[in-house]
Amino acid sequence: GQNIDQPTEMTATEGAIVQINCTYQTSGFNGLFWYQQHAGEAPTFLSYNVLDGLEEKGRFSSFLSRSKGYSYLLLKELQMKDSASYLCAVRDQSSWGKLQFGAGTQVVVTP
Amino acid sequence: DTGVSQNPRHKITKRGQNVTFRCDPISEHNRLYWYRQTLGQGPEFLTYFQNEAQLEKSRLLSDRFSAERPKGSFSTLEIQRTEQGDSAMYLCASSGAHHSNQPQHFGDGTRLSIL
Repeated sequence: GQNIDQPTEMTATEGAIVQINCTYQTSGFNGLFWYQQHAGEAPTFLSYNVLDGLEEKGRFSSFLSRSKGYSYLLLKELQMKDSASYLCAVRDQSSWGKLQFGAGTQVVVTP
Repeated sequence: DTGVSQNPRHKITKRGQNVTFRCDPISEHNRLYWYRQTLGQGPEFLTYFQNEAQLEKSRLLSDRFSAERPKGSFSTLEIQRTEQGDSAMYLCASSGAHHSNQPQHFGDGTRLSIL
Protein backbone atom coordinates (compact mmCIF):
# COMPACT_ATOMS: atom_id res chain seq x y z
CA GLY A 1 0.00 0.00 0.00
CA GLN A 2 0.93 3.63 0.04
CA ASN A 3 1.10 6.28 2.75
CA ILE A 4 1.04 9.84 1.53
CA ASP A 5 1.65 12.71 3.88
CA GLN A 6 1.30 16.42 3.24
CA PRO A 7 0.67 19.36 5.57
CA THR A 8 -2.94 20.19 6.33
CA GLU A 9 -2.78 23.94 5.81
CA MET A 10 -0.38 26.68 4.77
CA THR A 11 -0.86 30.43 4.73
CA ALA A 12 1.10 32.86 2.57
CA THR A 13 0.88 36.44 1.35
CA GLU A 14 -0.05 37.50 -2.16
CA GLY A 15 3.09 37.71 -4.31
CA ALA A 16 5.07 35.35 -2.08
CA ILE A 17 6.29 31.78 -2.70
CA VAL A 18 4.93 28.67 -1.00
CA GLN A 19 6.38 25.14 -1.05
CA ILE A 20 4.07 22.21 -0.35
CA ASN A 21 5.87 19.02 0.64
CA CYS A 22 4.64 15.50 0.03
CA THR A 23 6.22 12.30 1.32
CA TYR A 24 5.12 8.87 0.25
CA GLN A 25 5.80 5.19 0.77
CA THR A 26 5.00 2.82 -2.05
CA SER A 27 5.81 -0.75 -3.01
CA GLY A 28 6.65 0.22 -6.60
CA PHE A 29 6.66 3.86 -7.62
CA ASN A 30 5.25 4.71 -11.05
CA GLY A 31 4.60 8.44 -11.08
CA LEU A 32 3.48 11.33 -8.89
CA PHE A 33 0.80 13.88 -9.79
CA TRP A 34 -0.18 17.22 -8.28
CA TYR A 35 -3.76 18.50 -8.55
CA GLN A 36 -5.42 21.75 -7.50
CA GLN A 37 -8.95 21.66 -6.10
CA HIS A 38 -11.08 24.70 -5.32
CA ALA A 39 -13.91 24.17 -2.86
CA GLY A 40 -16.86 22.43 -4.48
CA GLU A 41 -15.02 21.92 -7.76
CA ALA A 42 -13.22 19.12 -9.58
CA PRO A 43 -9.50 18.50 -9.03
CA THR A 44 -7.52 19.94 -11.94
CA PHE A 45 -4.18 18.55 -13.09
CA LEU A 46 -1.07 20.66 -12.38
CA SER A 47 2.01 18.49 -12.88
CA TYR A 48 3.48 15.01 -13.28
CA ASN A 49 6.88 13.66 -12.17
CA VAL A 50 8.23 10.19 -12.76
CA LEU A 51 11.99 10.88 -12.89
CA ASP A 52 14.05 12.74 -10.30
CA GLY A 53 14.32 16.46 -10.72
CA LEU A 54 12.36 19.62 -11.26
CA GLU A 55 9.50 20.16 -13.71
CA GLU A 56 8.60 23.81 -14.31
CA LYS A 57 5.33 25.10 -15.69
CA GLY A 58 4.94 28.85 -15.43
CA ARG A 59 4.36 29.86 -11.80
CA PHE A 60 4.19 26.21 -10.70
CA SER A 61 7.12 23.80 -10.33
CA SER A 62 7.23 20.27 -8.99
CA PHE A 63 10.23 18.35 -7.72
CA LEU A 64 10.73 14.63 -7.15
CA SER A 65 13.30 12.55 -5.30
CA ARG A 66 12.44 8.86 -5.69
CA SER A 67 15.17 7.69 -3.31
CA LYS A 68 13.73 9.88 -0.54
CA GLY A 69 10.07 9.28 -1.39
CA TYR A 70 9.64 13.04 -1.53
CA SER A 71 8.10 15.64 -3.76
CA TYR A 72 7.25 19.30 -3.46
CA LEU A 73 5.04 21.72 -5.35
CA LEU A 74 6.34 25.27 -5.55
CA LEU A 75 3.90 28.09 -6.17
CA LYS A 76 5.52 31.42 -7.08
CA GLU A 77 4.08 34.94 -7.29
CA LEU A 78 1.03 33.84 -5.35
CA GLN A 79 -2.32 35.22 -6.42
CA MET A 80 -5.58 35.25 -4.47
CA LYS A 81 -7.03 32.72 -6.92
CA ASP A 82 -4.35 30.22 -5.82
CA SER A 83 -6.24 29.74 -2.55
CA ALA A 84 -7.26 26.10 -2.89
CA SER A 85 -6.46 22.56 -1.77
CA TYR A 86 -3.41 20.98 -3.39
CA LEU A 87 -3.47 17.20 -3.71
CA CYS A 88 -0.44 14.94 -4.06
CA ALA A 89 -1.23 11.59 -5.74
CA VAL A 90 0.98 8.55 -6.36
CA ARG A 91 0.60 5.70 -8.84
CA ASP A 92 2.37 2.42 -8.25
CA GLN A 93 3.53 -0.27 -10.60
CA SER A 94 0.86 -2.72 -9.56
CA SER A 95 -1.84 -0.54 -11.07
CA TRP A 96 -1.85 1.68 -14.13
CA GLY A 97 -5.23 2.98 -13.12
CA LYS A 98 -5.37 3.78 -9.47
CA LEU A 99 -4.08 7.02 -7.99
CA GLN A 100 -3.56 7.14 -4.23
CA PHE A 101 -4.20 10.68 -2.98
CA GLY A 102 -2.99 12.49 0.09
CA ALA A 103 -5.53 14.39 2.17
CA GLY A 104 -4.58 17.68 0.51
CA THR A 105 -2.93 20.88 1.67
CA GLN A 106 -5.22 23.89 2.02
CA VAL A 107 -3.33 26.99 0.88
CA VAL A 108 -4.72 30.30 2.07
CA VAL A 109 -3.43 33.39 0.27
CA THR A 110 -3.84 36.63 2.19
CA PRO A 111 -3.67 40.19 0.80
CA ASP B 1 -13.62 18.72 -25.80
CA THR B 2 -16.33 19.46 -23.26
CA GLY B 3 -14.63 17.77 -20.33
CA VAL B 4 -15.91 15.02 -18.07
CA SER B 5 -19.62 15.37 -17.37
CA GLN B 6 -21.40 13.93 -14.34
CA ASN B 7 -25.11 13.75 -13.56
CA PRO B 8 -26.80 14.58 -11.34
CA ARG B 9 -24.73 17.21 -9.55
CA HIS B 10 -26.59 16.63 -6.31
CA LYS B 11 -28.63 13.72 -5.01
CA ILE B 12 -30.53 13.63 -1.73
CA THR B 13 -32.18 10.38 -0.78
CA LYS B 14 -33.42 8.43 2.20
CA ARG B 15 -31.40 5.64 3.73
CA GLY B 16 -32.17 2.32 2.10
CA GLN B 17 -32.92 3.71 -1.34
CA ASN B 18 -30.95 2.90 -4.48
CA VAL B 19 -29.17 5.61 -6.43
CA THR B 20 -27.46 5.69 -9.82
CA PHE B 21 -24.96 8.23 -11.11
CA ARG B 22 -23.81 8.76 -14.66
CA CYS B 23 -20.43 9.81 -16.05
CA ASP B 24 -19.65 10.85 -19.61
CA PRO B 25 -15.88 10.92 -20.15
CA ILE B 26 -13.89 13.03 -22.58
CA SER B 27 -14.77 11.49 -25.94
CA GLU B 28 -11.36 10.19 -27.02
CA HIS B 29 -10.48 8.77 -23.58
CA ASN B 30 -10.74 5.01 -23.18
CA ARG B 31 -9.99 4.87 -19.44
CA LEU B 32 -12.62 5.85 -16.91
CA TYR B 33 -12.27 6.00 -13.12
CA TRP B 34 -14.58 6.40 -10.13
CA TYR B 35 -13.45 7.96 -6.85
CA ARG B 36 -15.18 8.97 -3.64
CA GLN B 37 -14.23 12.06 -1.65
CA THR B 38 -15.31 13.14 1.81
CA LEU B 39 -14.75 16.54 3.39
CA GLY B 40 -11.13 17.27 4.19
CA GLN B 41 -9.83 14.16 2.44
CA GLY B 42 -8.38 13.38 -0.94
CA PRO B 43 -10.28 11.26 -3.46
CA GLU B 44 -10.35 7.51 -2.70
CA PHE B 45 -10.16 5.12 -5.63
CA LEU B 46 -13.20 2.92 -6.24
CA THR B 47 -12.80 1.31 -9.66
CA TYR B 48 -11.61 1.82 -13.20
CA PHE B 49 -12.41 0.70 -16.74
CA GLN B 50 -10.42 0.41 -19.90
CA ASN B 51 -13.00 0.53 -22.65
CA GLU B 52 -15.83 -1.69 -21.38
CA ALA B 53 -13.62 -3.90 -19.19
CA GLN B 54 -13.58 -3.25 -15.45
CA LEU B 55 -9.89 -3.79 -14.64
CA GLU B 56 -9.65 -2.99 -10.95
CA LYS B 57 -11.98 -2.61 -7.98
CA SER B 58 -11.12 -1.28 -4.55
CA ARG B 59 -12.01 -3.18 -1.39
CA LEU B 60 -14.04 -0.03 -0.61
CA LEU B 61 -16.45 -1.13 -3.33
CA SER B 62 -18.74 -3.36 -1.30
CA ASP B 63 -21.34 -5.60 -2.88
CA ARG B 64 -23.83 -2.74 -2.61
CA PHE B 65 -21.82 -0.84 -5.22
CA SER B 66 -21.74 -1.72 -8.88
CA ALA B 67 -20.26 0.09 -11.85
CA GLU B 68 -20.76 -0.53 -15.53
CA ARG B 69 -19.48 0.81 -18.81
CA PRO B 70 -21.44 -1.26 -21.29
CA LYS B 71 -20.32 0.28 -24.58
CA GLY B 72 -16.99 1.67 -23.50
CA SER B 73 -18.31 5.24 -23.46
CA PHE B 74 -20.41 6.51 -20.53
CA SER B 75 -20.41 4.75 -17.16
CA THR B 76 -22.89 4.34 -14.34
CA LEU B 77 -22.26 3.81 -10.63
CA GLU B 78 -25.12 2.33 -8.64
CA ILE B 79 -25.36 2.14 -4.87
CA GLN B 80 -28.03 -0.18 -3.49
CA ARG B 81 -29.60 0.08 -0.02
CA THR B 82 -27.79 3.33 0.72
CA GLU B 83 -26.37 3.96 4.19
CA GLN B 84 -25.51 7.23 5.88
CA GLY B 85 -21.82 6.46 5.48
CA ASP B 86 -22.28 6.60 1.71
CA SER B 87 -22.72 10.38 1.91
CA ALA B 88 -19.81 11.79 -0.09
CA MET B 89 -18.80 13.39 -3.36
CA TYR B 90 -18.52 10.79 -6.12
CA LEU B 91 -15.97 11.84 -8.72
CA CYS B 92 -15.46 10.43 -12.18
CA ALA B 93 -12.27 10.89 -14.17
CA SER B 94 -11.04 9.83 -17.60
CA SER B 95 -7.71 9.53 -19.39
CA GLY B 96 -6.15 8.20 -22.54
CA ALA B 97 -4.12 5.02 -22.31
CA HIS B 98 -1.38 5.64 -24.81
CA HIS B 99 1.16 7.35 -22.57
CA SER B 100 1.84 6.73 -18.90
CA ASN B 101 2.07 10.43 -18.14
CA GLN B 102 -1.47 11.16 -19.26
CA PRO B 103 -3.27 12.73 -16.31
CA GLN B 104 -6.74 11.84 -15.16
CA HIS B 105 -9.24 14.61 -15.89
CA PHE B 106 -12.01 14.90 -13.31
CA GLY B 107 -15.65 15.83 -13.56
CA ASP B 108 -17.34 18.14 -11.05
CA GLY B 109 -18.76 15.16 -9.18
CA THR B 110 -22.11 14.07 -7.81
CA ARG B 111 -22.71 15.03 -4.19
CA LEU B 112 -24.74 12.36 -2.42
CA SER B 113 -26.53 13.13 0.83
CA ILE B 114 -28.29 10.34 2.73
CA LEU B 115 -31.02 11.44 5.11
